[in-house]
Amino acid sequence: KAGVTQTPRYLIKTRGQQVTLSCSPISGHRSVSWYQQTPGQGLQFLFEYFSETQRNKGNFPGRFSGRQFSNSRSEMNVSTLELGDSALYLCASRITDAEAYEQYFGPGTRLTVT
Amino acid sequence: GIQVEQSPPDLILQEGANSTLRCNFSDSVNNLQWFHQNPWGQLINLFYIPSGTKQNGRLSATTVATERYSLLYISSSQTTDSGVYFCAVKVRSTNAGKSTFGDGTTLTVKP
Repeated sequence: KAGVTQTPRYLIKTRGQQVTLSCSPISGHRSVSWYQQTPGQGLQFLFEYFSETQRNKGNFPGRFSGRQFSNSRSEMNVSTLELGDSALYLCASRITDAEAYEQYFGPGTRLTVT
Repeated sequence: GIQVEQSPPDLILQEGANSTLRCNFSDSVNNLQWFHQNPWGQLINLFYIPSGTKQNGRLSATTVATERYSLLYISSSQTTDSGVYFCAVKVRSTNAGKSTFGDGTTLTVKP
């Protein structure tokens, strides 16, 4: 079974632009979560989607948004990019949204904002 | 929110040595995972271990949920074990989708 895939793997954007990242979960998995990893803040939860609905959201500004499609694929969007948005963005999938299930991570998208 | 503390923050070993990594958490959890982050950034699943003990080759893990800690043991370490090890927990019932990560332990295994 294929793992979690994320596209693109690397991205360079200019401050003020917007960006869309994509995540395809493991086949059969319906929950997708997004995390941001930076050297200063570590790994922080952005949001989780299940059945096309946002179930949980972390403490990030409204410039960070996401959605999930009927095939469970998810996208996250960051508008008006700031230098501090440079980070590794990781997507994780789980079979369901219940707590007691293992999550699996994709390879990440490394975003650089200049 | 829940606090997750990992120790030690950095660990340097000679190849063949054993090590123990610790994860303390401040609240009841019903989901705990250990990950190894490879040099390219991907988080590799090591153990899903909300309680009890598991072993996988040279690695084993123990979680004592009542005392709010988990341990990851690496025996006969190899250079390929180098990297950052994270524990991640989910708190019971609230914000079920959110995993809280520790700051990680950076392991360097020297040949």
